[in-house]
Amino acid sequence: NAGVTQTPKFQVLKTGQSMTLQCAQDMNHEYMSWYRQDPGMGLRLIHYSVGAGITDQGEVPNGYNVSRSTTEDFPLRLLSAAPSQTSVYFCASSYSGLENYEQYFGPGTRLTVT
Amino acid sequence: AQSVTQLDSQVPVFEEAPVELRCNYSSSVSVYLFWYVQYPNQGLQLLLKYLSGSTLVKGINGFEAEFNKSQTSFHLRKPSVHISDTAEYFCAVNTGFQKLVFGTGTRLLVSP
Repeated sequence: NAGVTQTPKFQVLKTGQSMTLQCAQDMNHEYMSWYRQDPGMGLRLIHYSVGAGITDQGEVPNGYNVSRSTTEDFPLRLLSAAPSQTSVYFCASSYSGLENYEQYFGPGTRLTVT
Repeated sequence: AQSVTQLDSQVPVFEEAPVELRCNYSSSVSVYLFWYVQYPNQGLQLLLKYLSGSTLVKGINGFEAEFNKSQTSFHLRKPSVHISDTAEYFCAVNTGFQKLVFGTGTRLLVSP
């Protein structure tokens, strides 16, 4: 299993540009999430999904869009990039079973908006 | 809303010394607590988790944590650290539907 994969690893955008961060998992996990990591702030939840076709907002959703058309993929879209979105983005996935609760994280995408 | 506090942003320690990384959480009826480790330029890896049962939880790499309900704490400990333990450590609480709220992280710096 590849686990959780994210592309690209690094990206530089200009203010106002749009882009999509890709996330895929091959573990048949129902739950998938996007977090952003900023210095001194830990990780904060952007959006999450409990299954194909179902998404919801997390703590910091503004400026981001998600969709979940398949179990495997959960792309994150930046509609009009702003310097405040400079961050490291992590995708995570997990089973829905109550006995587990372990989230598996991807390697991250480092985004710089100039 | 549930929250997690990691008071120490950085903990320097010498190799083979013991270490404790502190984590306090806001009180709730059911608490599922986690410690994750992040090595430089990598994603997060689960160290250990508390869901229920024994309050002393053992994890990978010789780490353990104790759930203390009366003090709302979940401190991480290791009796003897190695240089390779240098990393950032995050405490987190599950707030439902497997959504995690993270602390701000503690950077463990192990020197020879």
